[in-house]
Amino acid sequence: GEDVEQSLFLSVREGDSSVINCTYTDSSSTYLYWYKQEPGAGLQLLTYIFSNMDMKQDQRLTVLLNKKDKHLSLRIADTQTGDSAIYFCAEVPSQAGTALIFGKGTTLSVSS
Amino acid sequence: DAGITQSPRYKITETGRQVTLMCHQTWSHSYMFWYRQDLGHGLRLIYYSAAADITDKGEVPDGYVVSRSKTENFPLTLESATRSQTSVYFCASSESTGELFFGEGSRLTVL
Repeated sequence: GEDVEQSLFLSVREGDSSVINCTYTDSSSTYLYWYKQEPGAGLQLLTYIFSNMDMKQDQRLTVLLNKKDKHLSLRIADTQTGDSAIYFCAEVPSQAGTALIFGKGTTLSVSS
Repeated sequence: DAGITQSPRYKITETGRQVTLMCHQTWSHSYMFWYRQDLGHGLRLIYYSAAADITDKGEVPDGYVVSRSKTENFPLTLESATRSQTSVYFCASSESTGELFFGEGSRLTVL
């Protein structure tokens, strides 16, 4: 079947903005999620967006949703070295019950 | 302490042996999940459970067995481990769709 697609790597300088992109599979997904994984740890929910929204802002995080293209993005403003992590987008496709399906993850590297 | 715990955190075993990874959550969440994380594949769902005694296959269930006799426990068993099952395994729980709470992972090496 189709996969949730993400670019694998992103490298930015401290203070710049980071934009992580994701293409999901199911246009009927009600919620779309961004999770963060720090080295050696499990994933933690970062933010989410309801499918009837185009944008959601939460402090330094901005999520944009384009339902027509099934495209989701996460923008991190004023990126800090502590933002270095793997970022996963995720959806709940209608055929997967309640289970989240994750993309492969984008490794964000922030240099000072 | 409340939370979700996995054991063992690290395990080395040999091909053909049976291995059980344990997962315990203290929130009484209805849903529990097992994912494996591999380089180049991200997280892939192995099995999930909506409640005690209810389990369902995910994307990559072959070679794995799960059970959920109690709400708080969701063990994952590799009946006859293979090298391709070398991975980091994450257990997660949730009360509703979307916000999953993950354990710290169990790193399994099959020689």
